[in-house]
Amino acid sequence: DTEVTQTPKHLVMGMTNKKSLKCEQHMGHRAMYWYKQKAKKPPELMFVYSYEKLSINESVPSRFSPECPNSSLLNLHLHALQPEDSALYLCASSQDRLVPYNEQFFGPGTRLTVL
Amino acid sequence: SQKIEQNSEALNIQEGKTATLTCNYTNYSPAYLQWYRQDPGRGPVFLLLIRENEKEKRKERLKVTFDTTLKQSLFHITASQPADSATYLCALGNQGGKLIFGQGTELSVKP
Repeated sequence: DTEVTQTPKHLVMGMTNKKSLKCEQHMGHRAMYWYKQKAKKPPELMFVYSYEKLSINESVPSRFSPECPNSSLLNLHLHALQPEDSALYLCASSQDRLVPYNEQFFGPGTRLTVL
Repeated sequence: SQKIEQNSEALNIQEGKTATLTCNYTNYSPAYLQWYRQDPGRGPVFLLLIRENEKEKRKERLKVTFDTTLKQSLFHITASQPADSATYLCALGNQGGKLIFGQGTELSVKP
């Protein structure tokens, strides 16, 4: 299984809502990533988990809260978002963050709209 | 600050021709460079990786070159097909596994 799955595919939420994005992989990868992508822009790294521990936080606002319950799952908890947070949120995984040269496998993304 | 530029936002070519996409970077010394394909509304898909000590890599109709002196990578698709139409992203990586993506080039192959 070389697939990264993400749920939901689409999410519409108000600025006062709390929601979560989910990501799952069964490739035995030990590094997992969250990216944010606006239209016609490149993916921007948000968080990196390595062996279920947060390794990189790219100065992301606290209204985004990542969680890695186990080596196969990655969540992104959302609270009090702003309309400018509307974007495609991509999850990715790779074999090991510290093994050089390994490619990242991306999920299809969750299209988030904040009203 | 680090900067990655891909040659153009859009590239239109005729089917059967070779598409050449350019990725230039400044203020960065990557350990490797990757190329991804992204279709509308989908996540990027890995295509090729080239290391800092490699000059050229090939995979089927794809070829990538890497010149660390010029700080440039070229990505070629030979015998292009309409199915190759997509956005192509270059990404620079360091030993910590962090990728920085270029803005992408939207390739359109006309029959």
